[in-house]
Amino acid sequence: AQSVTQLDSHVSVSEGTPVLLRCNYSSSYSPSLFWYVQHPNKGLQLLLKYTSAATLVKGINGFEAEFKKSETSFHLTKPSAHMSDAAEYFCVVTPRGYTPLVFGKGTRLSVIA
Amino acid sequence: EAQVTQNPRYLITVTGKKLTVTCSQNMNHEYMSWYRQDPGLGLRQIYYSMNVEVTDKGDVPEGYKVSRKEKRNFPLILESPSPNQTSLYFCASSSQGEGSNQPQHFGDGTRLSIL
Repeated sequence: AQSVTQLDSHVSVSEGTPVLLRCNYSSSYSPSLFWYVQHPNKGLQLLLKYTSAATLVKGINGFEAEFKKSETSFHLTKPSAHMSDAAEYFCVVTPRGYTPLVFGKGTRLSVIA
Repeated sequence: EAQVTQNPRYLITVTGKKLTVTCSQNMNHEYMSWYRQDPGLGLRQIYYSMNVEVTDKGDVPEGYKVSRKEKRNFPLILESPSPNQTSLYFCASSSQGEGSNQPQHFGDGTRLSIL
């Protein structure tokens, strides 16, 4: 069975400081992993994806994530937070075959001026 | 512009009054799906469709129907809505099924309130 655990429901950082949003996954197969961002009153937008190529994945808006198989983790980072980064972030795992995506419960990121 | 369009964006209605939420995509995607988002539960899949006339249940299909008569459209039907279907709904599409590495493209959501 597949599962995704986002370890923090809420993260608060100061503008200009690093961001770390943590995600652990469980998958019977080599998974594809995604991070999506959801701004208020909007749908989910793809930030980045891992598909078994490079383990360090760069996404949009300066975000990146590192796939660590030994730790079954796919943490999202950004060196310097911006006010516009305040949003809800979802870690998602895609199992093999035509089965539903598995979403984490989300991490709300607050950025303090 | 590539997009997934949902209508309506907001709807308040009463128990038992049939409603349909439309979803249309302009990317010629084969795969479409519906999710509901509830606080603390993340997104859960209701139904999905791998192509025209091919639909299947997701994790929480009870109380919902879908159809896929055309590739671009995937409406969500609530035949007899109940208050526990009050939620934020998202339609999504992608060029391949969920076993692939293709990302989903999401609509902006439909907020339903069933009184």
